[in-house]
Amino acid sequence: AQRVTQPEKLLSVFKGAPVELKCNYSYSGSPELFWYVQYSRQRLQLLLRHISRESIKGFTADLNKGETSFHLKKPFAQEEDSAMYYCALSGVGAQKLVFGQGTRLTINP
Amino acid sequence: GAGVSQSPSNKVTEKGKDVELRCDPISGHTALYWYRQRLGQGLEFLIYFQGNSAPDKSGLPSDRFSAERTGESVSTLTIQRTQQEDSAVYLCASSKRYEQYFGPGTRLTVT
Repeated sequence: AQRVTQPEKLLSVFKGAPVELKCNYSYSGSPELFWYVQYSRQRLQLLLRHISRESIKGFTADLNKGETSFHLKKPFAQEEDSAMYYCALSGVGAQKLVFGQGTRLTINP
Repeated sequence: GAGVSQSPSNKVTEKGKDVELRCDPISGHTALYWYRQRLGQGLEFLIYFQGNSAPDKSGLPSDRFSAERTGESVSTLTIQRTQQEDSAVYLCASSKRYEQYFGPGTRLTVT
């Protein structure tokens, strides 16, 4: 079965502190993993994709196939990072996404 | 350019009535998706259209739900005989390749 688990519904850290949002998945085969973000009063948008191996807005995520994890990390959190973050997976190619339940990240000043 | 648009933005309906939700994808995007998000939960896949292929309806929760798409343009999601558990935000997304672009959603409340 395809499943994405985000164990933390809420996460609160102070500005300048490191942040890690956890994501674990189950999928038979080789999935594509994504992080989507929704800022207040904005649409859901792609943050990053595991294949691209980019750092977007200081965030990185490494796919660990052994642990079936795709945790999102940033070394120094900023207040504008406060948002709802969703981990998602799909099969190879443009296919439906399976989403986790999301983590609301709050960065305290 | 214009993003994905959805209408209406809010819909309140009485239990048992039918509702139609509309999605206008980004021009040139061959794939279109519908998702549902219940309060406090993640997005749940409903249906996926890709070009002229048969749609993937595997996420539709019951036969009260149906969707159509005209070519590579507008899509409508229809819910017949609405129930209170249908209350949710219905999100549409379109894509050309891997990145899905989401609309603002339609908030459906069934009273």
